[in-house]
Amino acid sequence: GQQLNQSPQSMFIQEGEDVSMNCTSSSIFNTWLWYKQDPGEGPVLLIALYKAGELTSNGRLTAQFGITRKDSFLNISASIPSDVGIYFCAGLNTDKLIFGTGTRLQVFP
Amino acid sequence: NAGVTQTPKFQVLKTGQSMTLQCAQDMNHNSMYWYRQDPGMGLRLIYYSASEGTTDKGEVPNGYNVSRLNKREFSLRLESAAPSQTSVYFCASSEPNTQYFGPGTRLTVL
Repeated sequence: GQQLNQSPQSMFIQEGEDVSMNCTSSSIFNTWLWYKQDPGEGPVLLIALYKAGELTSNGRLTAQFGITRKDSFLNISASIPSDVGIYFCAGLNTDKLIFGTGTRLQVFP
Repeated sequence: NAGVTQTPKFQVLKTGQSMTLQCAQDMNHNSMYWYRQDPGMGLRLIYYSASEGTTDKGEVPNGYNVSRLNKREFSLRLESAAPSQTSVYFCASSEPNTQYFGPGTRLTVL
């Protein structure tokens, strides 16, 4: 089945560093969503992007909807230990979400 | 406002047993979904329901059935569980352009 290409697969960073991850697709999407999943929990929505070129922030998180509508980026600035988790991108067309394979983030003090 | 709730949280079945996973949302959303998540993978859509009374297959529907009981509730049934159905199951509901997820049901089939 279709899945989005998300990279990197995992990241090990020190507290205070900035993080970047991205998602690419061969298909165009009308909406890009970024989720964070903690162990044993469901995904929690972080940021939603609705327009090509859109740049949206949520605290230390910033995400962009690529101009081609086939990609999206998520940046986390000044990482802290509670940023640990798996981050998923998801592309939405009509009513169905297609998920990326996830980026596992580890933050060391 | 509880959002999306799922029961049970954990379940262990023997091969061939049946069970129903329950999901409810209190956000008055029309659309509801069932996903499974396997290690190292994103979520894959099993079935979805765009509105009360309608259901459609997703990417991996084989071995599952669903019922949209009313606007609030969307259940997933395994008629004859198989070890390949060992997974974490998430229910979600959506308003236009976003989806909200439940906490998941961790199912093990022996």
